[in-house]
Amino acid sequence: EDQVTQSPEALRLQEGESSSLNCSYTVSGLRGLFWYRQDPGKGPEFLFTLYSAGEEKEKERLKATLTKKESFLHITAPKPEDSATYLCAVWRTGNQFYFGTGTSLTVIP
Amino acid sequence: EAGVTQFPSHSVIEKGQTVTLRCDPISGHDNLYWYRRVMGKEIKFLLHFVKESKQDESGMPNNRFLAERTGGTYSTLKVQPAELEDSGVYFCASSHLSGREKLFFGSGTQLSVL
Repeated sequence: EDQVTQSPEALRLQEGESSSLNCSYTVSGLRGLFWYRQDPGKGPEFLFTLYSAGEEKEKERLKATLTKKESFLHITAPKPEDSATYLCAVWRTGNQFYFGTGTSLTVIP
Repeated sequence: EAGVTQFPSHSVIEKGQTVTLRCDPISGHDNLYWYRRVMGKEIKFLLHFVKESKQDESGMPNNRFLAERTGGTYSTLKVQPAELEDSGVYFCASSHLSGREKLFFGSGTQLSVL
C-alpha cells in the first residue's frame, strides 16, 4: 500500500539551531517527491520537487534531498519566520499525489 | 497573477443540509484538483479535472459528493446531504497541463457539519 510518513510530528528549535525533517515513503511508480510549506489558515505553498535519488534542491535556508526510500528537508540556521507546517507529497504513476501528515516547526527567537 | 481562490472560507451547517464549495483556479490552468484534510489526518485526493472533464474521481468518498467544472473554468463541490464525517478542510489546487505536477493551492474551505 502506498504510504508517506513524516517525522517528527512537531519540532521546536531555537533560532539558529539547524535540524532536519524526514519524509519516508513506500510508493510504486514514483514520479517525484514534493515539499510544501503551509502557514495557518493557508493552503500548501510549493517549495521543491525532487525527481530522482541523489537529487538535491536549495532555497535560502532550506535544502531538500532524496534517496530511494526517503527525503530530508534540512533547515540551516532557522529564523522565526520559518515556523510553519512542512508537508511532503509523492507523485506516482496515474498522476496521483499522496501527502504525509506534516511536521509542525516552531522556531523560537 | 491571482492565485487559486476558494469560497467560502468557512461553512458551518447541520447534518442533512447541503453545502456548495467553489474554486476559481489560476487563469489558464487546465488541471483542477479537489483535496480534503480531515482533522489529524493527511491531505487526501478527491478528484481531478482536465478542463471540464473528470479525469479521475477515485477519491470521492460516496455519491453524496458531486463536483462540476463549468466550461473548464471554476469548479464547485456539492455535498448533499452532509454528514458529520464530512467535516474538514477542502482544498482546491490547479496546475498547467505542462508542468502539471506543480500544484498551486487555494486557502481552503473549513467545513463543519454539526
